Amino acid sequence: AQSVTQPDIHITVSEGASLELRCNYSYGATPYLFWYVQSPGQGLQLLLKYFSGDTLVQGIKGFEAEFKRSQSSFNLRKPSVHWSDAAEYFCAVAPRSGNTPLVFGKGTRLSVIA
Amino acid sequence: GAGVSQSPSNKVTEKGKDVELRCDPISGHTALYWYRQSLGQGLEFLIYFQGNSAPDKSGLPSDRFSAERTGGSVSTLTIQRTQQEDSAVYLCASSWTSGSGTDTQYFGPGTRLTVL
Repeated sequence: AQSVTQPDIHITVSEGASLELRCNYSYGATPYLFWYVQSPGQGLQLLLKYFSGDTLVQGIKGFEAEFKRSQSSFNLRKPSVHWSDAAEYFCAVAPRSGNTPLVFGKGTRLSVIA
Repeated sequence: GAGVSQSPSNKVTEKGKDVELRCDPISGHTALYWYRQSLGQGLEFLIYFQGNSAPDKSGLPSDRFSAERTGGSVSTLTIQRTQQEDSAVYLCASSWTSGSGTDTQYFGPGTRLTVL
């Protein structure tokens, strides 16, 4: 069965430091890949998505993610974190065939300290 | 334009009562999803509507859960005889066309359900 793993439940970084959030997936074929962010009390907002082509994807708020087929990974990165980036981040996948909903990882909570 | 809206934003109910949660998708979106977000479980798919097709109910946890979508727009998720384990945030999402992986899902702010 398809699954998404976000190995880090909680990460704390200093403001201005770089960030990498890990995501690994298990699928029969390369799925569509997404990163969403959820700020406290808010719904999910799409940061970026990968369908095909360039494996380095640029998103909103200065985030980027890199798809690595050999590692079944889609890690999210940001070169310099801002305090407003504190939120919960979810990696999600959807198969390339058929109409099925997203399968989400359990999320990584990001805390930002001064 | 307006995003996905959900009501109520918060709902507190007593065990055994029925509740109805409402979702207004983005106008023109044909696909509508319900997810549940609970502590320790992450985001779980519940049910999916695509146009006039029969809904995909494969994620509903029990027969106490049901949903309908009237006129291809507004959807209502109903939980009968609520239990404490139903306490969670219920999220609705909608997307443009077929609901395949290419169609970005836009999420509402959710309804926080607390069952006492």
